[in-house]
Amino acid sequence: RKEVEQDPGPFNVPEGATVAFNCTYSNSASQSFFWYRQDCRKEPKLLMSVYSSGNEDGRFTAQLNRASQYISLLIRDSKLSDSATYLCVDPTGTASKLTFGTGTRLQVTL
Amino acid sequence: DGGITQSPKYLFRKEGQNVTLSCEQNLNHDAMYWYRQDPGQGLRLIYYSQIVNDFQKGDIAEGYSVSREKKESFPLTVTSAQKNPTAFYLCASSMTPDPKPPQHFGDGTRLSIL
Repeated sequence: RKEVEQDPGPFNVPEGATVAFNCTYSNSASQSFFWYRQDCRKEPKLLMSVYSSGNEDGRFTAQLNRASQYISLLIRDSKLSDSATYLCVDPTGTASKLTFGTGTRLQVTL
Repeated sequence: DGGITQSPKYLFRKEGQNVTLSCEQNLNHDAMYWYRQDPGQGLRLIYYSQIVNDFQKGDIAEGYSVSREKKESFPLTVTSAQKNPTAFYLCASSMTPDPKPPQHFGDGTRLSIL
């Protein structure tokens, strides 16, 4: 099993829709994660952190399910500008190692 | 404006040639990192440095070398021993050696083989 696994997508949704995607992880000791957003041919940018209590920031909600070992990202009222690849990151590893998922591509259309 | 600057944006390597990718940060961050990203794959750690004059191998260090002579600079050399160098290279930095997470990425260098 991959350390961090994501459905590559693409998820094609109309503007205004609600979309959610998950990321599964194999390290049962992991207690926090991060979602990064990466636009095409650009660098990743931190979107939000995820702890056991979850996290909400505007239209974005992230949850951590430790029992089933997955995290989720929910985007409400999707905007065209939300189109990007969303990377799931597990920072719990050997010294200085971040484990990146391969990313889920989201395409929001008119 | 503080940030991380990578150069060049695009780089072409001839067979048998070593090339060096530049990464400079003015954030006063202690730790710096080099990642490689291939299509359909996540970022993979090449090398990292927690303090000046010290660096450690990441998961895919073979065919690469680094130096950390100054806090603000962490250049990556892709040697001729790296047989598949075509990729998107990203440099990152964090305030402390604990990278949870590296908050800042440079805008990357795309390396291709001629």
